[in-house]
Amino acid sequence: NAGVMQNPRHLVRRRGQEARLRCSPMKGHSHVYWYRQLPEEGLKFMVYLQKENIIDESGMPKERFSAEFPKEGPSILRIQQVVRGDSAAYFCASSVGADTQYFGPGTRLTVL
Amino acid sequence: AQRVTQPEKLLSVFKGAPVELKCNYSYSGSPELFWYVQYSRQRLQLLLRHISRESIKGFTADLNKGETSFHLKKPFAQEEDSAMYYCALRTRNAGNMLTFGGGTRLMVKP
Repeated sequence: NAGVMQNPRHLVRRRGQEARLRCSPMKGHSHVYWYRQLPEEGLKFMVYLQKENIIDESGMPKERFSAEFPKEGPSILRIQQVVRGDSAAYFCASSVGADTQYFGPGTRLTVL
Repeated sequence: AQRVTQPEKLLSVFKGAPVELKCNYSYSGSPELFWYVQYSRQRLQLLLRHISRESIKGFTADLNKGETSFHLKKPFAQEEDSAMYYCALRTRNAGNMLTFGGGTRLMVKP
């Protein structure tokens, strides 16, 4: 089992562009979580998804951010019209039900 | 709302010395507490959880509901313990989301 995969590992965007971050959960895991880590801070919850459903998006900014976890393929975190404040490490985790969350290596987004 | 506080950003000890990484939480109900560790250039991984009451790599942590703490302890630190340590909380009323503390960097000097 390769573990949770995230790509790209590093992403550079200019202000106003779109960023797409991908997360492939561990085999057999149907629950996916996205967390954001700003510099010098801990991880902050963004969104919790199951296949084709958003379960909890209480941590998502109201505008420009969206997430999906389609029936087939990876979960996508999409950030439209990026701004410098979006620069952060974005971590994905997956689990079987409400069990232990296993984390991916993260995507480091830099907005120029 | 629940909150996790790790008061020390950096903790530096010598090899063989005891280690205690502090974690305090605020939540009025019955939380689940976790410690995650991130070694250099590796992903975040679960170290231990309070319901398991286990010792991993010599580390233990006891949930103290009276003091709302979940401090991580090891009697004799090793150089390979150097890493970032995050305390996290999960509550029934918040679904499966984890609330993390700000993290403590542990440096074990030779």
